[in-house]
Amino acid sequence: AQSVSQHNHHVILSEAASLELGCNYSYGGTVNLFWYVQYPGQHLQLLLKYFSGDPLVKGIKGFEAEFIKSKFSFNLRKPSVQWSDTAEYFCAVHPLLGKLIFGQGTTLQVKP
Amino acid sequence: DGGITQSPKYLFRKEGQNVTLSCEQNLNHDAMYWYRQDPGQGLRLIYYSQIVNDFQKGDIAEGYSVSREKKESFPLTVTSAQKNPTAFYLCASSRRTADEAFFGQGTRLTVV
Repeated sequence: AQSVSQHNHHVILSEAASLELGCNYSYGGTVNLFWYVQYPGQHLQLLLKYFSGDPLVKGIKGFEAEFIKSKFSFNLRKPSVQWSDTAEYFCAVHPLLGKLIFGQGTTLQVKP
Repeated sequence: DGGITQSPKYLFRKEGQNVTLSCEQNLNHDAMYWYRQDPGQGLRLIYYSQIVNDFQKGDIAEGYSVSREKKESFPLTVTSAQKNPTAFYLCASSRRTADEAFFGQGTRLTVV
């Protein structure tokens, strides 16, 4: 069955530290990949997406993610986090003929 | 303003009662989704619809029902058969299947 796994449930970083959040999925076919972010009190919004082409994609606010097909992974990165990055982050996978499935989410807390 | 409107924002229900959550979009999107968000479990798919007059069960459809009679509307009914209905419910839409999804603000349902 299709599934998404996020390795880190709760991450605490200091400002300026680098961030990497892991995401792996299980599905054998072609997929579209997404990272969404939910800031406190706000609705879910798209951070970045991968459909095809360059496996390194850039999103808003300095975030980027790399799709490694052989590892079924789509890890999210940011070189230097800010306090305003405190939020919950969700990886999501959408097979072209399937359904949009989310991971469990990772809560990021950035200390000033 | 284009977007997705969920109503009400907060909803209280007595045990044994059915309740319907509203979701309306004016984005002219074909696909619509309902998710349930619980702490530590991410977003779990309840139902989705790829086109008017058609919908499919997600991973946790038991105790829920939907309809898609109009393109812009995808109401979710939480029935008395749902054993643990207290949760945060999110509606989303996408231009077509596998595109990025746009989310509403959510409805927090509490069973009392």
